[in-house]
Formats: sequence, C-alpha cells, structure tokens
Amino acid sequence: EAQVTQNPRYLITVTGKKLTVTCSQNMNHEYMSWYRQDPGLGLRQIYYSMNVEVTDKGDVPEGYKVSRKEKRNFPLILESPSPNQTSLYFCASSRMGIAGLSYEQYFGPGTRLTVT
Amino acid sequence: KNEVEQSPQNLTAQEGEFITINCSYSVGISALHWLQQHPGGGIVSLFMLSSGKKKHGRLIATINIQEKHSSLHITASHPRDSAVYICAVRGTDKLIFGTGTRLQVFP
Repeated sequence: EAQVTQNPRYLITVTGKKLTVTCSQNMNHEYMSWYRQDPGLGLRQIYYSMNVEVTDKGDVPEGYKVSRKEKRNFPLILESPSPNQTSLYFCASSRMGIAGLSYEQYFGPGTRLTVT
Repeated sequence: KNEVEQSPQNLTAQEGEFITINCSYSVGISALHWLQQHPGGGIVSLFMLSSGKKKHGRLIATINIQEKHSSLHITASHPRDSAVYICAVRGTDKLIFGTGTRLQVFP
C-alpha cells in the first residue's frame, strides 16, 4: 500500500530537549516536504526536498532542521524545541515532473507535538 | 492579504444540499489542489487541476485561470462530507495553502 508514515503520532516534550520526527514514503517520490498546521494560519511549509541531499527552506524554517540522506526518509529535527513549536506537523511526498511539482501530494497522518 | 483566500470559513448544511466552496488566489500558478481534512486530522488530496473542470463522484472542481478563482462543489451533501476543505496553489516547487473551509452537514 502506497503511504507516507510519520512517527511518533503524538509527542509531549519539554523546552530544549532535542527531538526528531521521522517521515518515510514507499512510493519512490523525489519530492518531500514538512508542514505545520496552526489554528487560523492553515498549513505552512517548513522545509522541502526535491531529491536526495537537496533541501531548501520553506516559509517557516526557523528552529527546524532536516536531512535527506535516503530517498524514502525525510526526518524533521528540533534541536531545542520551544513552546511556539507546539503544532500539528505533516510530512508529504510527491513525484516531480519536468516542470517541477507536477503531481498530487500524499500526506502522512500527522504528528501532534506539544512543547511545555 | 493572504495569497490564497477561501470562502466561506465555516459552512453548515442540511443533508442533500448543494454546497459550494470558493478559492481565490493572487499569484501565478501551475496548478491548484483541493484537499480534504477529516476531524481525525488526516489530509487527502481530492483534485489537482490546472484548467477547466474535474468530477469525482459527487464532487466537482472548477478553475478559471484568468479570474484566478476555483470552486469546489458537493452535490447531494451527506454528513460524512463533514470536514475541512483546503485549497492550495502550486508554484514550481511549493504549495501555498488557504486556511480552509470547515463544513458541517447535518442529517
């Protein structure tokens, strides 16, 4: 079954304690992306990657890191989480066409993060 | 002003009603997506379109590139259609999202 998986699904942590949210897709997609969703603000892009070892900042990258060492995995790292990073996080993946992001995005189930 | 605006923000309907959700955008795009987010949080892609009209079951999506406007229609609405519907426009390498329309359909 084609899918994007995220772990953990729920996480409560304290300020400053480094954490990683994993994302994996089994569709051989080139494009992967992380979004956060906050009430009233909708989905906002954190980082994206168009292929292995290629990553770029989205609209709200501050406080986050990513890496793309393998095509299937795109972990999101919070080196020193703060309460303003409390949010619902989604990973997504897509094929890339000749003209760029030409195909539908597949979303993971989401990770609800609370930083106290 | 947001680059992607949806209206209405909230919508309630009786089962069987015809529903329209609108999306206007101010940037150049290569395609537009309609997404559905159920109360459990998962997001599913409904349509991706760059011109004209697409239909899937009771859902119809249209786009007018010249007017920078898209509509999502639901015919014969049902309580299971209750969800947040999100419009997103696509540039070359990223999506820009609207804030969503929360739809509740009552029996």
